[in-house]
Amino acid sequence: QKEVEQDPGPLSVPEGAIVSLNCTYSNSAFQYFMWYRQYSRKGPELLMYTYSSGNKEDGRFTAQVDKSSKYISLFIRDSQPSDSATYLCAMSWNNDMRFGAGTRLTVKP
Amino acid sequence: EAQVTQNPRYLITVTGKKLTVTCSQNMNHEYMSWYRQDPGLGLRQIYYSMNVEVTDKGDVPEGYKVSRKEKRNFPLILESPSPNQTSLYFCASSFAQGLGGYTFGSGTRLTVV
Repeated sequence: QKEVEQDPGPLSVPEGAIVSLNCTYSNSAFQYFMWYRQYSRKGPELLMYTYSSGNKEDGRFTAQVDKSSKYISLFIRDSQPSDSATYLCAMSWNNDMRFGAGTRLTVKP
Repeated sequence: EAQVTQNPRYLITVTGKKLTVTCSQNMNHEYMSWYRQDPGLGLRQIYYSMNVEVTDKGDVPEGYKVSRKEKRNFPLILESPSPNQTSLYFCASSFAQGLGGYTFGSGTRLTVV
C-alpha cells in the first residue's frame, strides 16, 4: 500500500462545475497538508497549505483535512479552463514530505 | 522574482556519459532537494540538503550524487547515466524541510539512450 493514494484520473468537467479532488494516506503522524498545481511542462506550484484538521478557503479553492479518516480534499468552485492541470496532494511530518501521484484535471469551455 | 532555476530544461545523452544538472535558488532557503517524476509513481526524492555541506539520501539515491558548497546551489550529478534514469527531474527549496511548502524549478527532462 502506498503511503499516499491519489486517483490519477483523468477528470474532465465543464466550465463552471465544482471539482472535488481527494487523497487518502496511511501515516497518521502527518501534520501538514498541501495541494500543488502543475501545468504541463512546468514545476509544481504551491496552491494550498494547511495544518492539522479543518478547512481553509482561498478564493475559489477550499482545502479540507479529516485526520480521523486520513482523507484530504481540494474543492474548486466555478472551475475555469485555466484550472486545467495536474493536482498533487502532499503531506509532511517530522521533516518528511510525501506526494501523491497527481490527478489530471481538464476543464472544458 | 523568487525562483528556483534549473538547467538545462531538456537533455538527451548516451549511457555512461557523465552529466550535471544545475539548480540555483535566490530565496536564501536552507533546504534544497531533488526529485524525479515518473508516470504513476509521482514525485520521488533523490537527495536533499538541510544546509551547506549537509546532504542526505532520499528514497531513490542510487546512481546520483549531489553537493552543496554554497547555500544557493545544489547540482545533481549522474556519473554514469543509464536508461532507467530517463525521467523528469525537479529541484525544490524551502526555508525548512517538510515545512512551509516547497518552491520547485521548472524541471529538466532527461533522456538517456
